[in-house]
Amino acid sequence: DVKVTQSSRYLVKRTGEKVFLECVQDMDHENMFWYRQDPGLGLRLIYFSYDVKMKEKGDIPEGYSVSREKKERFSLILESASTNQTSMYLCASSLTLLRQSSYEQYFGPGTRLTVT
Amino acid sequence: KQEVTQIPAALSVPEGENLVLNCSFTDSAIYNLQWFRQDPGKGLTSLLLIQSSQREQTSGRLNASLDKSSGRSTLYIAASQPGDSATYLCAVPALYNTDKLIFGTGTRLQVFP
Repeated sequence: DVKVTQSSRYLVKRTGEKVFLECVQDMDHENMFWYRQDPGLGLRLIYFSYDVKMKEKGDIPEGYSVSREKKERFSLILESASTNQTSMYLCASSLTLLRQSSYEQYFGPGTRLTVT
Repeated sequence: KQEVTQIPAALSVPEGENLVLNCSFTDSAIYNLQWFRQDPGKGLTSLLLIQSSQREQTSGRLNASLDKSSGRSTLYIAASQPGDSATYLCAVPALYNTDKLIFGTGTRLQVFP
């Protein structure tokens, strides 16, 4: 079974703090994703990584950065947390289409971040 | 740009009812379509994935159909149970990058005893 884990289920941070959210997958997936989910707005892609040290901006990258130094780990960084970054953050991973005939994305349990 | 819409946004039904959740997408050139379930405060769990060449997929009491030409998919839940209460999301690969998914905003389902 594919397993995607996230470092924290709940996190409370203060405005201006630097925040690290960690995601680890154990299935040798090339692709990893960070989303945020807000009521009424659905899931929005923040960043996407298709290989180690490779990244691509999603729909809402402002205020975020990412790091992928190892294939299994993808980190989301809030350089200076703000209250409008209070949200549910979801990590996902998948094989690249080059390695599979059917495409499927697997999600972690989510991190509920509150910035006060 | 691909857009995905789900109707209704919320649904409340008594236990035992058969129900249909709808998903519409604007561009029919999709590679596949995926249905997910999300329990409150949790991550997403994949339920069914339908390839573009398929018309439907079944898993237990769930049946998902796909009509590419009309840009629609439906998720049919038979004999609903309180344990089916969750938010259901559909997603299709982005047109320009099929490794990315475009999600609908979901249908929040409540099944009461």
